[in-house]
Formats: sequence, structure tokens, C-alpha cells
Amino acid sequence: ETGVTQTPRHLVMGMTNKKSLKCEQHLGHNAMYWYKQSAKKPLELMFVYSLEERVENNSVPSRFSPECPNSSHLFLHLHTLQPEDSALYLCASSQDRHRGRYGNQPQHFGDGTRLSIL
Amino acid sequence: SQQGEEDPQALSIQEGENATMNCSYKTSINNLQWYRQNSGRGLVHLILIRSNEREKHSGRLRVTLDTSKKSSSLLITASRAADTASYFCATVGTGANNLFFGTGTRLTVIP
Repeated sequence: ETGVTQTPRHLVMGMTNKKSLKCEQHLGHNAMYWYKQSAKKPLELMFVYSLEERVENNSVPSRFSPECPNSSHLFLHLHTLQPEDSALYLCASSQDRHRGRYGNQPQHFGDGTRLSIL
Repeated sequence: SQQGEEDPQALSIQEGENATMNCSYKTSINNLQWYRQNSGRGLVHLILIRSNEREKHSGRLRVTLDTSKKSSSLLITASRAADTASYFCATVGTGANNLFFGTGTRLTVIP
């Protein structure tokens, strides 16, 4: 029943490859997020876009590069990743009533991309 | 740390029993949210409770919030096998925007 679609669902790549994760939301929301979920660790917020403007970048290494071309689409470009980057990458969206005040509404998640770095 | 911490880490019950999960946090919050995650899937929002609220219900779910103790609980009544999942609490600090998630409680409901 999710209104947030992530592709691909699984991705295996070498450390020298370049790939992109895609997220699309069909809910008319104005904020989108990338999270990293690793085993036995809390969900880590990576990037936040509110009204297509990046408003949060939680000290994420530059080998991760987000792109938000419009309010419905979000990409995460990957290059020169490390084995510790293997994780489930989740995209989420929410409808925020005030610009930049995105923590006050429920977030809707996609099913994630399972990323494995060889 | 702003993140919530769930307790217990794992819980196994028989179908029909009630399940209670707890969440503790350390800073003042604007709101606290509970999410469910089935294996291999994304998180699903369950309930959002604001700092000025004490209790909320949604179907078989009941969430309480005690800001004096900086804790919340999620009660699932008359559990079903389909409730088997991981449950996470997430807090939003006062004046902040980001959700801080805990590591979750893994609930197993045995048919």
C-alpha cells in the first residue's frame, strides 16, 4: 500500500562502480528523506529535502550525492563506496505544513534498496 | 543522544495476548512516533503523539506518553500473527525537525 517506490530493490556493486538509487513518491508530499539502516543500529538520517531544497546533510561522506529534481523524485548517487556502506537505504516523504518544519508529520517510507558492496 | 531506546529488544507472545513495548528518551520532545517494519519492507507509521498529549488510540493500538519520565509505551491488544514485526519509536526534539529512531523491539506472535 506504499505510495513511495524505490528502485532497484537490490543492488550489488564493486567499490569502484557508480550507481544511483531512485525514489518516487505519489502522495503529493513536499519533503523527502534518505535514511541508512544497518543491522543493530538506529536508523540514520542522511539527507532531507524540503520543497526541493536540501535542508539537512548529516555529515554524510561525499561518496553519497543526493539529487532532488522535483518534489516527487529523489536520487542517491553512489560512487567509490566502502564495504561498510552495505545497508538498507530507505526513502521517505512527508507533507510539511511549514517550510523547514518537517518533523511534525508522519513519514511514509518505501521498501528500500538493499545495497551490498563487494 | 536524542534517540529513543526501546525495551525489550525482543518479545515473543502467543496469539491473542497483549504486547507492550516501551521507549525511553533523554531530551525534551515535540512529538514521539511509533513505526512498524515487517521483514524486508519499509517502515509504516502507526501513531504520532505530541508532547501535550498523554494517550492515543488507533484500532488495537494504544500509545501513552509520560513526559515527566521521558517514556512512552505501545500496547497491542489481542495480538495476531500478522503483528509479527519490528517496532520503532522515534522522537522529534523541541525546536528540532529530525526524527531520531531507536534500535527497535522485535515482536514475534506465535499462532
